Amino acid sequence: QVQLQQWGAGLLKPSETLSLTCAVNGGSFRGFYWTWIRQSPGKGLEWIGEINHKGTTKYSPSLESRVTISVDTSKNQFSLNLSSVTAADTALYYCARGDPIIGVIMTVDAFDIWGQGTMVTVSS
Amino acid sequence: QSVLTQPPSVSGAPGQRVTISCTGSSSNIGAGYDAHWYQQFPGTAPKLLIYGNSNRPSGVPDRFSGSKSGTSASLAITGLQAEDEADYFCQSYDSSLSTYVFGTGTKVTVL
Repeated sequence: QVQLQQWGAGLLKPSETLSLTCAVNGGSFRGFYWTWIRQSPGKGLEWIGEINHKGTTKYSPSLESRVTISVDTSKNQFSLNLSSVTAADTALYYCARGDPIIGVIMTVDAFDIWGQGTMVTVSS
Repeated sequence: QSVLTQPPSVSGAPGQRVTISCTGSSSNIGAGYDAHWYQQFPGTAPKLLIYGNSNRPSGVPDRFSGSKSGTSASLAITGLQAEDEADYFCQSYDSSLSTYVFGTGTKVTVL
């Protein structure tokens, strides 16, 4: 039974860097895309980016200039860094496992396992 | 910002059938990208309910079903139960935005 456990700072000041880590317990790291998603009342669910076991990343174009996702396969962990945060980055952040579902046109990840979520508040 | 539009709420009596629409466009569902569906209870993470338009993960009751047609996807709940009261979200990929996208969310209320 794969489980994701995430942690990181929950209160930041504007311009600081958000840092979260997610540990993958009980399953293989290979074959999946390790993903960060955030949820806020104003924007709903928003995909931030993903990484595979090789370290290949994809980011949301709207956040790409501020986002870094990294992986530590020796610890089965992956991390999110989001720089220069503002109040607009206040949200509940989730890590998730992206399972590539092969479709007619292309593979569309389905997020089948989620972490417990970390509420991040940006306030001066 | 969501490019997948869902009705804010739907409701039904126990035992009834309800459907939730997820309306996209020619750059996401209409382009042939699959839709997935999630169920979320207050204070908890979303749970994958339907993948690949119409497939249920192990453990999901068969009263949940999904379909896709044109630029839209749909989730149906038959034999509605009190425990189905939750928020539901669709998800797909958008080629214009080059990102995974989620629906606006629908709150299901069991009367």
